[in-house]
Amino acid sequence: ETGVTQSPTHLIKTRGQQVTLRCSSQSGHNTVSWYQQALGQGPQFIFQYYREEENGRGNFPPRFSGLQFPNYSSELNVNALELDDSALYLCASSGTGTGRQKLFFGSGTQLSVL
Amino acid sequence: TQLLEQSPQFLSIQEGENLTVYCNSSSVFSSLQWYRQEPGEGPVLLVTVVTGGEVKKLKRLTFQFGDARKDSSLHITAAQPGDTGLYLCAGELGKLIFGQGTTLQVKP
Repeated sequence: ETGVTQSPTHLIKTRGQQVTLRCSSQSGHNTVSWYQQALGQGPQFIFQYYREEENGRGNFPPRFSGLQFPNYSSELNVNALELDDSALYLCASSGTGTGRQKLFFGSGTQLSVL
Repeated sequence: TQLLEQSPQFLSIQEGENLTVYCNSSSVFSSLQWYRQEPGEGPVLLVTVVTGGEVKKLKRLTFQFGDARKDSSLHITAAQPGDTGLYLCAGELGKLIFGQGTTLQVKP
């Protein structure tokens, strides 16, 4: 059973650029959630995808968008990067889109916006 | 405004001491989870509590869910340096909402 993998592990971008982060969910999981975590803070919910459809969204602007593919892997896209977008981006997979969730997290992508 | 408030935000103690971390909210949660996160890694689930008043033990860690399912606590007995990390509570409201975390440092 493979765990949640994220790529790349680190990324440096400049303000105004666009970025795509990738996540492969754990085997058998059909739900992927994305979180943004500032240093020393708790993760903030961005959105969740269940069977290729967005299934809930946090308080993030539309320039944060995502996709889920038929194999349940997922992408997080951020357009027009801002300095405050610098953070650890975590992907978590779970076995169901509703009800009690047990999340399995990847190690994250550390994004630095200069 | 943080939906889940954790306290303290930072704790530095000596090995062997006991500690308690609190997680409070005005919202009622269907379940509450505790995670531990080490630098460079994602959070790892420690426990899920579901029933008001529920107590769960995981070796030296004791987790309690408040009777009204609005708050929770994590108590660590005889802390060890290996307990060092960021402790996060997360409440389920359709999606998981995390507190801001408690950074624990246990010095040998």
